[in-house]
Amino acid sequence: DPKIIQKPKYLVAVTGSEKILICEQYLGHNAMYWYRQSAKKPLEFMFSYSYQKLMDNQTASSRFQPQSSKKNHLDLQITALKPDDSATYFCASSHLGSSYEQYFGPGTRLTVL
Amino acid sequence: GEQVEQRPPHLSVREGDSAVITCTYTDPNSYYFFWYKQEPGASLQLLMKVFSSTEINEGQGFTVLLNKKDKRLSLNLTAAHPGDSAAYFCAVSPTTGGNNKLTFGQGTVLSVIP
Repeated sequence: DPKIIQKPKYLVAVTGSEKILICEQYLGHNAMYWYRQSAKKPLEFMFSYSYQKLMDNQTASSRFQPQSSKKNHLDLQITALKPDDSATYFCASSHLGSSYEQYFGPGTRLTVL
Repeated sequence: GEQVEQRPPHLSVREGDSAVITCTYTDPNSYYFFWYKQEPGASLQLLMKVFSSTEINEGQGFTVLLNKKDKRLSLNLTAAHPGDSAAYFCAVSPTTGGNNKLTFGQGTVLSVIP
């Protein structure tokens, strides 16, 4: 059974719309993250959460808002979508602490037309 | 902030040959280092973690070398096979206990020719 679930796997949106990317982890981890991978840039850290609280935010735009309803959930809401937002968004999780390995979900591939 | 430079961006080797991927980083306080493998269309698979200046062989055909003095990390595939064809990423983590932010290198696309 997959330990980190991301939904949907593929997502197509129109410019200006809003989408929510879903992430759930069943690894018993207390920290979760979002990363973005696009053709133009390497894997970029976006957010980190622990116990449903924001730890770090490296995303300049307020259009990206993480939402955590449960300790093992970390969704990503993106508003006013732009074509430049097209990328694969990976959710990851780990135990809290920089020494711990992060495990990545399968990703959501977002295309903004 | 931390910056990670990974080389080469593309690497093609024949089956049985070795392949070396190198990352250099800027923050001398970085302490934990990771290698990930990403097959086409797939997620990132953790290969190994390293945190001390020592040579580590994980028994999967990889050797990792970390040189903190030079701020350099390398992954050496000792005898590549076609199943090793993938993108490889190094990632660096700071020492700060609560901050798990990973800074990734740009990636190396490895092709192993049978």
